[in-house]
Amino acid sequence: QVQLVESGGGLVKPGGSLRLSCVASGFTFSDYYMNWIRQAPGKGLEWISYISSSGSTIYYADSVKGRFTISRDNAKNSLYLQMNSLRAEDTAVYYCAREWPDVWGQGTTVTVSS
Amino acid sequence: DIQMTQSPSTLSASVGDRVTITCRASQSFTRWLAWYQQKPGKAPKLLIYRASTLETGVPSRFSGSGSGTEFTLAISSLQPDDFATYYCQQYNSFPWTFGQGTKVEIK
Repeated sequence: QVQLVESGGGLVKPGGSLRLSCVASGFTFSDYYMNWIRQAPGKGLEWISYISSSGSTIYYADSVKGRFTISRDNAKNSLYLQMNSLRAEDTAVYYCAREWPDVWGQGTTVTVSS
Repeated sequence: DIQMTQSPSTLSASVGDRVTITCRASQSFTRWLAWYQQKPGKAPKLLIYRASTLETGVPSRFSGSGSGTEFTLAISSLQPDDFATYYCQQYNSFPWTFGQGTKVEIK
């Protein structure tokens, strides 16, 4: 079945870095654009980044621009989010999501705290 | 940026009630709007896309309508499994934006 599985979350100090991964299965990953969306504790959903199927087109939310980098490896059916200069306000569950999105992963939790 | 405003923020209803949730956009756009259901500790689940298209497997008691700046999610007869938080989202232009959510509670 169609599935997205995130990993890489954890506890990191302010200013630190983390790399999230998302492995896709059950569909032809290279045919789909992908996104990262996050949800802070007790808050709503926030779209943070988009990457086209080939990786040639990328967009970021202003809140993460210049600090986060989205990438993908179609040969490995994998999506990534490199997060640098992390702040307390980046604390959230991070979801990998397909297209608009129609499929979501289960999420991985990132906590930024000293 | 397109701002999405949902109303109400909280809705108290009983099983069998018809409920509607409204999402208003700060700018007009075509039908690139989706509705999601989220339960505590779970990822959102797609209910409706392109404003009115029911996702495969979603019960027909859910329906979506609207265009321009006003969109509506309706549940024709609320079931126990429907008590959750609902979000609208525009994917017409970047940055994609979500409404703040509507929590549907048991009356």
